[in-house]
Amino acid sequence: DAGVTQSPTHLIKTRGQQVTLRCSPKSGHDTVSWYQQALGQGPQFIFQYYEEEERQRGNFPDRFSGHQFPNYSSELNVNALLLGDSALYLCASSWTGVRTGELFFGEGSRLTVL
Amino acid sequence: AQRVTQPEKLLSVFKGAPVELKCNYSYSGSPELFWYVQYSRQRLQLLLRHISRESIKGFTADLNKGETSFHLKKPFAQEEDSAMYYCALSGGNAGNMLTFGGGTRLMVKP
Repeated sequence: DAGVTQSPTHLIKTRGQQVTLRCSPKSGHDTVSWYQQALGQGPQFIFQYYEEEERQRGNFPDRFSGHQFPNYSSELNVNALLLGDSALYLCASSWTGVRTGELFFGEGSRLTVL
Repeated sequence: AQRVTQPEKLLSVFKGAPVELKCNYSYSGSPELFWYVQYSRQRLQLLLRHISRESIKGFTADLNKGETSFHLKKPFAQEEDSAMYYCALSGGNAGNMLTFGGGTRLMVKP
């Protein structure tokens, strides 16, 4: 089991552009959460997907949107990029049948906005 | 609103010394508290959770509801404990949504 995989690992965009990040959850997991981690800070919750629907959302603008596919993989889309969107974006998966708080994280996608 | 505070960005100790990583939280209900760790070049992973009352790699953490704290402790630090440590909170009905603190970098010197 490769665990949670994310792509791409690094990318550079310019202000105003749009970006799509992808995540495949750990085998057997059905819930995917996305976190933004700015430099020197802890991860901040963006949203969570379960059964192809957004189940919870953090304090992020509508420019941040997502999707979950039938195979449980997920995408994070960010429109109209701002310099402040530069961060490490972490995907985490879990199984909704076990509410233990244990999330399995990917290595992240590092986004730089110029 | 739920909030997690880790007052120390960096904690440096010598090998064999005791370690205490501080974590304070604010939450109106009954929270679940966790410590996550990120070793160099590895991904973020769960270290321990308060509900299990477990000791992992010699680390323990006790939830103090009166002081709203969940400090991580180890009596004798090892060099391999050097890592980033994040305290996290989950509200009772929030599924597995976690609120993280800003993290503390632990450096254990030989």
